Amino acid sequence: SQQGEEDPQALSIQEGENATMNCSYKTSINNLQWYRQNSGRGLVHLILIRSNEREKHSGRLRVTLDTSKKSSSLLITASRAADTASYFCATAGGSYIPTFGRGTSLIVHP
Amino acid sequence: KAGVTQTPRYLIKTRGQQVTLSCSPISGHRSVSWYQQTPGQGLQFLFEYFSETQRNKGNFPGRFSGRQFSNSRSEMNVSTLELGDSALYLCASSLVHLQEGYGYTFGSGTRLTVV
Repeated sequence: SQQGEEDPQALSIQEGENATMNCSYKTSINNLQWYRQNSGRGLVHLILIRSNEREKHSGRLRVTLDTSKKSSSLLITASRAADTASYFCATAGGSYIPTFGRGTSLIVHP
Repeated sequence: KAGVTQTPRYLIKTRGQQVTLSCSPISGHRSVSWYQQTPGQGLQFLFEYFSETQRNKGNFPGRFSGRQFSNSRSEMNVSTLELGDSALYLCASSLVHLQEGYGYTFGSGTRLTVV
């Protein structure tokens, strides 16, 4: 299985701090995606990074991908209370079907 | 533009019954996928439909089935419900086939409780 595994499982920070979440996987991928989920609702797509890309930015989000280490990281800068959510990485291999990890639960305290 | 619409939002069924969930993708999106989310197993892929054809299927029993209509709307059906089928069922649409490497847009889900 190429299910990604997020680390840490839970993260608690203060507003204004940066939050970093990591995702490791086991087999080669075509792309890796990050999603956010608020309290049991639908997931929101944040960023897709392809296997030949190393870094992507979107607003306060920065995603890196290291295919040699089979790992990715999601950095949220200057966190806000509204960033409180669960964050999932999803790896897509030969079938291109995103396979989700268990997620990182982020709490940002005002 | 309208997002992915799933109906109903909540559903309570009795063991042994069957249920049909509906998903309307974003206008123009042709790929619809379904996921089951539970606290124990996380997000598990059920199936993907593209142009009315099932393109991929996850590791679920035959009680789980789906279809896609010519307008890209999709339904999934679960027959002979079991307590373990209680979950949040998420529908996700994508502009083109997943192989094009685009991300999903998810609906808010249908919360199914089997009693």
